Amino acid sequence: QVQLQESGPGLMKPSQTLSLTCTVSGDSLSSGNNYWSWIRQPAGKGLEWIGRIYVSGSTNSNPSLQSRVTISMDTSKNQFSLNLSSMTAADTAVYFCARDHVNNALGSFHLDPWGPGILVTVSS
Amino acid sequence: SYEVTQPPSVSVSPGQTASITCSGHRLGDKYVCWYQQKPGQSPVLVIYQDTKRPSGIPERFSGSNSDHIATLTISGTQAMDEADYYCQAWDSSTGYVFGSGTRVTVL
Repeated sequence: QVQLQESGPGLMKPSQTLSLTCTVSGDSLSSGNNYWSWIRQPAGKGLEWIGRIYVSGSTNSNPSLQSRVTISMDTSKNQFSLNLSSMTAADTAVYFCARDHVNNALGSFHLDPWGPGILVTVSS
Repeated sequence: SYEVTQPPSVSVSPGQTASITCSGHRLGDKYVCWYQQKPGQSPVLVIYQDTKRPSGIPERFSGSNSDHIATLTISGTQAMDEADYYCQAWDSSTGYVFGSGTRVTVL
């Protein structure tokens, strides 16, 4: 059974850079079978995809966040990470990591499973 | 950028059928999936590739996708199905695109 767990600071100050880590168990990031994604959800609002990474180091990001997003992977720890720079109050949200099922030949893309999420608050 | 639209809310009586729509330009040309999210929990995939159910998802959940509208149908709705439901598609320019979510209330 695949499980994901987000970790990182719960409180950030404006202009700081957020660093979150997702630890995966039950699947190997180095297998190359999947991509691995970050998604966020402000309180009471919908889901927003942030970006994803493949074992090769290839990444894709939401164009609206691309300039501030860095995603990396450490296969030795079976972890992948998100850095989001220049945080503002608008970045306050629950941040989720998820396994990203991609089948380019079919054009099929979905996220399963998801981690429980971590609340990140940006406040001075 | 690509967008998909969902109604904010749907109400259904126990045992009846709930239908949740997701609309977008030529959405039928893309694969759509659906997530269920209960309060305080992370989303759970209930339908992928328009019509497929992951292991463990009850048969009362079904999906369809044609032209500009994808639909999630919950047959014989139960109280435990009360949740927010999000549709999701992929766009080559935008990446993962989520609908704004539909709150299903079982009255």
